Amino acid sequence: QKEVEQDPGPLSVPEGAIVSLNCTYSNSAFQYFMWYRQYSRKGPELLMYTYSSGNKEDGRFTAQVDKSSKYISLFIRDSQPSDSATYLCAMSGAGGTSYGKLTFGQGTILTVHP
Amino acid sequence: ETGVTQTPRHLVMGMTNKKSLKCEQHLGHNAMYWYKQSAKKPLELMFVYSLEERVENNSVPSRFSPECPNSSHLFLHLHTLQPEDSALYLCASSPGLAGAEQFFGPGTRLTVL
Repeated sequence: QKEVEQDPGPLSVPEGAIVSLNCTYSNSAFQYFMWYRQYSRKGPELLMYTYSSGNKEDGRFTAQVDKSSKYISLFIRDSQPSDSATYLCAMSGAGGTSYGKLTFGQGTILTVHP
Repeated sequence: ETGVTQTPRHLVMGMTNKKSLKCEQHLGHNAMYWYKQSAKKPLELMFVYSLEERVENNSVPSRFSPECPNSSHLFLHLHTLQPEDSALYLCASSPGLAGAEQFFGPGTRLTVL
């Protein structure tokens, strides 16, 4: 079983739709949760960063963490064609040998069509 | 220059060549990382440096040799690579190690013939 599971998609939605992206994980030591966006031929760009459980909102983006279910989500409201990219979830533990080690999901390819 | 920069952006090399990838971060961070990104696979952490000291070597073959001369620069020296080493190599940096968000460079697209 992979430590982090993410549906690779591809996911195609019309402009203006609400997009829901998800990851599940198995390691209960994960405390920090991140979402990255990666455009074609570019490096990943940090979108959202959360610690432990709860919600965080930034503009059209909302990140949710449910540690009891080992499940994280990223919601994109009013999606735009410019949101078309690969979205990567990543997570890490709080200490010990997990220092500096991010574990990534495979990435979900999202296309928002006009 | 801002953020994390990487050179070259593209590299084609034969299996007997020796080449180096360069990464520079302009963020004042203390930790730097090398990742490998292959098609349809999650990013794989290769090396972690904190304050120029290697803290993680994730079972990477010896044909990949990292070097961190100072906290702003990171190199990945390549020799006698295999075609399966063709991938996007990404450098990242973070303020520290503990739970810190990592900021990535644009990557070097490596093709091994």
